[in-house]
Amino acid sequence: AQSVSQHNHHVILSEAASLELGCNYSYGGTVNLFWYVQYPGQHLQLLLKYFSGDPLVKGIKGFEAEFIKSKFSFNLRKPSVQWSDTAEYFCAVISYSSASKIIFGSGTRLSIRP
Amino acid sequence: DAGVIQSPRHEVTEMGQEVTLRCKPISGHDYLFWYRQTMMRGLELLIYFNNNVPIDDSGMPEDRFSAKMPNASFSTLKIQPSEPRDSAVYFCASSEQGSGNTIYFGEGSWLTVV
Repeated sequence: AQSVSQHNHHVILSEAASLELGCNYSYGGTVNLFWYVQYPGQHLQLLLKYFSGDPLVKGIKGFEAEFIKSKFSFNLRKPSVQWSDTAEYFCAVISYSSASKIIFGSGTRLSIRP
Repeated sequence: DAGVIQSPRHEVTEMGQEVTLRCKPISGHDYLFWYRQTMMRGLELLIYFNNNVPIDDSGMPEDRFSAKMPNASFSTLKIQPSEPRDSAVYFCASSEQGSGNTIYFGEGSWLTVV
């Protein structure tokens, strides 16, 4: 079955630490990849997306993600986190064979210690 | 653009009552999605529409849930009768095929059934 896996359920970091959140998917063929962020009490907002071209995608607030097709991965990174990055992060995938049905991972809760 | 608009933002209702959640997608978007988010189950896709037609309702939990999209600018999600386990945040989202399927979320309807 098609799926998106986020292996880290809860990550706790100190400010200025580097961040990497894992995301793996099981689709074959052409995919669009997304990271969404949900700040406490708010709705999901787009952080960055990959459609084609350069596999290293830069998003808002200093986040970036790298698409590695051979590993079916789209990991999210940030070199130095801030307290305001405390949120839940969702990886999502659309396969062109799935009639635009976007599938979300289970989310990773990021807590930043000030 | 006003974004995806949902109402009500918050609702508290008694078990057995009918609940109707409303959504106005972004103008021009041809896909509309209803998601439910809970601590236990995370983000779940309930149903989605393309050009006002339901495409996949396999995520609708049971017959108490129904969704309609009478026109391109309005959709409803109805729960009748409501139960305490329906308490959740219900998100409506929309996307446009031509923009690479980026999904934009509304701010959610926070439902509490007592």
